Amino acid sequence: QVQLVESGGGVVQPGRSLRLSCAASGFSFISHAMHWVRQAPGKGLEWVTLISYDGSNKNYVDSVKGRFTVSKDKSKNTVYLQMNSLRAEDTAVYYCARGMSGWYGALDYWGRGTLVTVSP
Amino acid sequence: EIVLTQSPGTLSLSPGERATLSCRASQSISNNYLAWYQQKPGQTPRLLIYDVINRATGIPDRFSGSGSGTDFSLTISRLEPEDFAVYYCQQYDSSPPWTFGQGTKVEIK
Repeated sequence: QVQLVESGGGVVQPGRSLRLSCAASGFSFISHAMHWVRQAPGKGLEWVTLISYDGSNKNYVDSVKGRFTVSKDKSKNTVYLQMNSLRAEDTAVYYCARGMSGWYGALDYWGRGTLVTVSP
Repeated sequence: EIVLTQSPGTLSLSPGERATLSCRASQSISNNYLAWYQQKPGQTPRLLIYDVINRATGIPDRFSGSGSGTDFSLTISRLEPEDFAVYYCQQYDSSPPWTFGQGTKVEIK
């Protein structure tokens, strides 16, 4: 069955970096876009970024452009989110999610999330 | 960027009642690329409806989606106890960012 397992969250000081990982299994990793969605404590869902099935296309929400980078390693079936210059407003649970297709598509499977706390 | 506005913010209903949730887009979603998700406290979001009208795998038929252009709805025909949760719409039309609405909480009256 499809599984997405995030890791790499933790407490980090403002201005520092963190890398999140999402290990995927149970499906053809090279056929689906992969997304990161975050949820600040007590708040709604915010779409952050996606990487296309082949890794050739990436998009970001404006608030993270220039600071976050999404990538994928097909040999490890893993998606990464490199987060630099972290701010307090980046504090959230970060979910990895699978797109239903290689680019456009709803998010049909989600991981359990990993918590990132940005605090002095 | 397409902004999605969900209404009402909170819907107070009893089990067995019908729930209708609204999602309005700031511009037309021309390809019908709109989805609905359910999230219960402490849980991961779950896909309910995709491409406006299609139920995701394993979703009961009491959930249905409708709409076009800028106005979309999620209807739960008869609320079951497990349906009380927060519901989000999301658009994945045209170019990213693929935004979510702010959510509608369906609570027990």
